[in-house]
Amino acid sequence: GNSVTQMEGPVTLSEEAFLTINCTYTATGYPSLFWYVQYPGEGLQLLLKATKADDKGSNKGFEATYRKETTSFHLEKGSVQVSDSAVYFCALSDVYGQAGTALIFGKGTTLSVSS
Amino acid sequence: GAGVSQSPSNKVTEKGKDVELRCDPISGHTALYWYRQSLGQGLEFLIYFQGNSAPDKSGLPSDRFSAERTGGSVSTLTIQRTQQEDSAVYLCASSLAFQGGTEAFFGQGTRLTVV
Repeated sequence: GNSVTQMEGPVTLSEEAFLTINCTYTATGYPSLFWYVQYPGEGLQLLLKATKADDKGSNKGFEATYRKETTSFHLEKGSVQVSDSAVYFCALSDVYGQAGTALIFGKGTTLSVSS
Repeated sequence: GAGVSQSPSNKVTEKGKDVELRCDPISGHTALYWYRQSLGQGLEFLIYFQGNSAPDKSGLPSDRFSAERTGGSVSTLTIQRTQQEDSAVYLCASSLAFQGGTEAFFGQGTRLTVV
């Protein structure tokens, strides 16, 4: 079945440090891949996505590249800010037939950035 | 409304009682999802509705859990004979139509506490 595995947290960084949050997936079809973010006290929102192999999603300085050969979608940011402190979720949706499947999420990684 | 609306925002119930959680998706969205978010467990998929297709109920944890979607719009998640382990935040999301890469929009969730 489909699944997403992301690195355990919490991740604690100083401001301007480089961030990587690892995510790997297992899927039976041709998945689209997502990163969602949940800021303190707020609902889940889409951060970025990629719909096919070698696509790069980017938003707010974050990037992730869809690597089919390694079944990975690692999240990176060159210089984190205190405002990036949040919980980050990697997710996939698999497409086959007409109904497709729901979004499947990883367990989430908590990022804490200090000044 | 402008976004996904869930009610109530908080619910405290006694063990053994039944509860109903409501989700109003974004108008026109054909796909609707329910998830459960517990500390340390990430986002657990419960059930997925897509248009007129049979719902994907593969994530429902027991037969005490059920959900329906009336008229392709509002959805109700029902938990019968609640147990303390049912305490969690229940999230609803909707998306425009299922195609690869479609963004899901989340509600603020219902925090359920079983005492």
